[in-house]
Amino acid sequence: AQKVTQAQTEISVVEKEDVTLDCVYETRDTTYYLFWYKQPPSGELVFLIRRNSFDEQNEISGRYSWNFQKSTSSFNFTITASQVVDSAVYFCALQANQAGTALIFGKGTTLSVSS
Amino acid sequence: NAGVTQTPKFQVLKTGQSMTLQCAQDMNHEYMSWYRQDPGMGLRLIHYSVGAGITDQGEVPNGYNVSRSTTEDFPLRLLSAAPSQTSVYFCASSWGQFYGYTFGSGTRLTVV
Repeated sequence: AQKVTQAQTEISVVEKEDVTLDCVYETRDTTYYLFWYKQPPSGELVFLIRRNSFDEQNEISGRYSWNFQKSTSSFNFTITASQVVDSAVYFCALQANQAGTALIFGKGTTLSVSS
Repeated sequence: NAGVTQTPKFQVLKTGQSMTLQCAQDMNHEYMSWYRQDPGMGLRLIHYSVGAGITDQGEVPNGYNVSRSTTEDFPLRLLSAAPSQTSVYFCASSWGQFYGYTFGSGTRLTVV
């Protein structure tokens, strides 16, 4: 079975703090992809990153970084020096052969950044 | 670039009414999907299509129908609306299986 767990339901930080959003996944497939999406208060879903199961290199994009560890089945997302505009719901998602074309989403983590 | 366009953005239906949520994409994507988002549930797949003329069921297909007569359009039909179908509906499209999806802006549906 495919499953994504985002154990943190809500996180509140003050601007400029660093924050890490956790994502743990389950799949028996050896080929799979992991994604992060951002859903700001306006409601749209914004693609942030895609990572395949064969690439465990960490990735950094500006203030965002992602840590993929197959040994712990985790794909964590860190925002450095958070800003109010980072306030949103963040979803981790898994796509694996067994799930076909389906993106299996976690339940999301609501991040609130206050000034 | 319009991307994925969903209409309407908001809709209120009475129990038992039928309606079609429209979805169109202009990126020539073969893969299209419908998800529903409910509080605390994340997004769940309703139906999907891997090309014109090909559709299949997702995790929560009951009460919904789809068809894919063209590459661009993937409408979602509610045959007899029920309060349990109150949700936000997202249409999404992709180049292929593992390319990730581009989402529309969503349709907020309330069934009373």
